[in-house]
Amino acid sequence: KAGVTQTPRYLIKTRGQQVTLSCSPISGHRSVSWYQQTPGQGLQFLFEYFSETQRNKGNFPGRFSGRQFSNSRSEMNVSTLELGDSALYLCASSLGAEEKLFFGSGTQLSVL
Amino acid sequence: ELKVEQNPLFLSMQEGKNYTIYCNYSTTSDRLYWYRQDPGKSLESLFVLLSNGAVKQEGRLMASLDTKARLSTLHITAAVHDLSATYFCAVDPGYSGSGNTGKLIFGQGTTLQVKP
Repeated sequence: KAGVTQTPRYLIKTRGQQVTLSCSPISGHRSVSWYQQTPGQGLQFLFEYFSETQRNKGNFPGRFSGRQFSNSRSEMNVSTLELGDSALYLCASSLGAEEKLFFGSGTQLSVL
Repeated sequence: ELKVEQNPLFLSMQEGKNYTIYCNYSTTSDRLYWYRQDPGKSLESLFVLLSNGAVKQEGRLMASLDTKARLSTLHITAAVHDLSATYFCAVDPGYSGSGNTGKLIFGQGTTLQVKP
């Protein structure tokens, strides 16, 4: 079956703009979580959605938001972009009761 | 705040040698994961360790979990070049028995370089 799909693969934005990233989980998976990966901070948890409800949120400012649709697809939005938001954004899905997360290939965001 | 620390952070070794990567975490958790990441790629799940004393093996890699010591190890046996990658351990601090919460706290990663 198809894996976790993230679009777009690469994005270049300028400071102050906003961006929306998309994630399609593995068919049947109801949990979608987002992570930010940077060389300096490593992998950091952003938030997790299950059946359209945000269950967990990491320590990120309110500029970072997300949502999940009824088909489990998820979007992540970052408003008023800052240079420090440049990172690889990874989405992961799971059944919820499964024991591991399946990660997508990520969206590489560059803020200029 | 839960912290997950790996050591070493960088490991250069010759093919055929053995070595161990250590993962320490600062709070109780019965669920620990190991992932592999190749440059420019996403994370690939290697092992899920669910209880104290759990040991899992796949090829030249073996992972174990000691929840009392809050320590997991990833042992590499007779390393080969194909094992060159960055290895992450991650802990689920919120596991409640009804499934994972999707929130993982990752270690810094250990970059393994295996030289021919």
